[in-house]
Amino acid sequence: SQQGEEDPQALSIQEGENATMNCSYKTSINNLQWYRQNSGRGLVHLILIRSNEREKHSGRLRVTLDTSKKSSSLLITASRAADTASYFCATGIKAAGNKLTFGGGTRVLVKP
Amino acid sequence: DGGITQSPKYLFRKEGQNVTLSCEQNLNHDAMYWYRQDPGQGLRLIYYSQIVNDFQKGDIAEGYSVSREKKESFPLTVTSAQKNPTAFYLCASSIVSRATFNQPQHFGDGTRLSIL
Repeated sequence: SQQGEEDPQALSIQEGENATMNCSYKTSINNLQWYRQNSGRGLVHLILIRSNEREKHSGRLRVTLDTSKKSSSLLITASRAADTASYFCATGIKAAGNKLTFGGGTRVLVKP
Repeated sequence: DGGITQSPKYLFRKEGQNVTLSCEQNLNHDAMYWYRQDPGQGLRLIYYSQIVNDFQKGDIAEGYSVSREKKESFPLTVTSAQKNPTAFYLCASSIVSRATFNQPQHFGDGTRLSIL
């Protein structure tokens, strides 16, 4: 089974609203990463949070990590139509070397 | 500009045919990866390579083969043994650090493979 699972699977919001999506995982991690994928394109790395970090910000993105609950959340504030994409979490485990395990993604639609 | 180039963008395969997907990077990354993405799904690892002339199977390697003769190139062959090859194939690369594992990956724009 996949290490990371996103929730919800799909999200529809109005421009200007915040979008929150969650990622749960099963085993202890080295770090957790979030990626964005526009339709028909490759993934783009957004943010990496290490297992000893609890919160990280990058522009309008805020990521939290709760290792006791084995979960992470990605918040996009003041969403724009251009934020319409699928968002994936990926977990890295030291024992797996440089491999990442990706979740199934959250599809976000931002309506103008 | 540095990046990863995948070609072709679209590829069609006939029954019983092997096809090869190209992946080239000029980021000077040691590690390269191949993923398969089915509609509405996440990514599944096919093969990965952390150094030239070495590669390892991922979670779904059956029916696929790779080579890593040059640092810049990591071609993927979808063989006739792969009975359900229709999918979106993504290539990625990353640096390899002995101090820090699980580095961010940089992705190409994918190849969409379909069966004729």
